[in-house]
Amino acid sequence: QVQLVQSGAEVKKPGASVKVSCKASGYTFTRYFMNWVRQAPGQGLEWMGIINPGGGGTSYAQKFQGRVTMTRDTSTSTVYVELSSLRSEDTAFYYCARDLIPDYWGQGTLVTVSS
Amino acid sequence: DIQMTQSPSAMSASVGDRVTITCRASQGISDSLAWFQQKPGKVPKRLIYAASSLQSGVPSRFSGSGSGTEFTLTISSLQPEDFATYYCLQYNTYPHTFGGGTKVEIK
Repeated sequence: QVQLVQSGAEVKKPGASVKVSCKASGYTFTRYFMNWVRQAPGQGLEWMGIINPGGGGTSYAQKFQGRVTMTRDTSTSTVYVELSSLRSEDTAFYYCARDLIPDYWGQGTLVTVSS
Repeated sequence: DIQMTQSPSAMSASVGDRVTITCRASQGISDSLAWFQQKPGKVPKRLIYAASSLQSGVPSRFSGSGSGTEFTLTISSLQPEDFATYYCLQYNTYPHTFGGGTKVEIK
């Protein structure tokens, strides 16, 4: 069965960077795009970007350009999102979600940015 | 970027009610629209894709319609398990964008 297992919660100080992982299993990793979506506490869903695990190509939301990097490791079927220059407004759950139209979601990783 | 305007942002309804949620795109997106349901503390669940195609396993009381810039999610007879927040997502053009969400609460 398809599973997306994300890394654990993180607490970071403003200005720091965070890297969240998402390990996929139960399907052919390189055949499905992977989205990253975030959700601040009590707020709506926000699309951050997408990566093609096959070729590594990415597309990011303009809001995150210059601060976000999405990568993948095909040897471990894992995708990563790294967000730099963190500020308090980046406090949110970060989700990986499989496919162009997300069908399977990771469990979410809470990133807290606080001094 | 394509803006997705969802309405209403919240609503109260009773079990058995017919519920309609609208999503409007700032430019045409053909039928590249999906609907998601999210319950508190849970990840979103895909209900509809390609504007009107029902995800396998989703009850038939859910339906989607529309094309271009105007889209609708309809719940024909609201059930207790349907109280949740609903989001639309356009995937026609990068960056993909979600609507702001519609919280359906019990009247």
